[in-house]
Amino acid sequence: DGGITQSPKYLFRKEGQNVTLSCEQNLNHDAMYWYRQDPGQGLRLIYYSQIVNDFQKGDIAEGYSVSREKKESFPLTVTSAQKNPTAFYLCASSPLTGDTEAFFGQGTRLTVV
Amino acid sequence: SQQGEEDPQALSIQEGENATMNCSYKTSINNLQWYRQNSGRGLVHLILIRSNEREKHSGRLRVTLDTSKKSSSLLITASRAADTASYFCATVWGDMRFGAGTRLTVKP
Repeated sequence: DGGITQSPKYLFRKEGQNVTLSCEQNLNHDAMYWYRQDPGQGLRLIYYSQIVNDFQKGDIAEGYSVSREKKESFPLTVTSAQKNPTAFYLCASSPLTGDTEAFFGQGTRLTVV
Repeated sequence: SQQGEEDPQALSIQEGENATMNCSYKTSINNLQWYRQNSGRGLVHLILIRSNEREKHSGRLRVTLDTSKKSSSLLITASRAADTASYFCATVWGDMRFGAGTRLTVKP
């Protein structure tokens, strides 16, 4: 069953800790994206990657880091430098051409306690 | 900053009425896409319109694109209570960026 999977669904983090959100896809897509969504708001681009071992910063990359060691995986680390990390995080993937739809995971809700 | 800006921010209509949402953007695009999001869930793709297209239909959805005005509209005809959701436009030019969305409420 093809798709894009984010885990965990809910995540709690203590202040000062780093935490990693998982995103895996088996759609053979080249491009992958991470977005942040705050309550009642739109999606803001954190990072995106179009090819293995390469990624680009989006609009709000500060306090976040990513890796793309495998085509299927694009984990996002929320570092202690991110001052307000509580949010809903969405991962997406699409073919490299960008001329078709993107597929989204179900999201990870991160709460700092 | 976000590429697309949707208008209105919120829309409330009765079942059976049409709903129109607008999206404006700032830069060049390869294509523009519309997505739907139910509360607390991921986004689901609705329709894609390429930069050289002016109008596209899919079931009860009609999308228009005016690249000279850098704007797009999504029309949902004969709305249903199940259409209640947030709707986002996304512009694609290398990456994919979203607007703030329109929250649509369809009352039974």
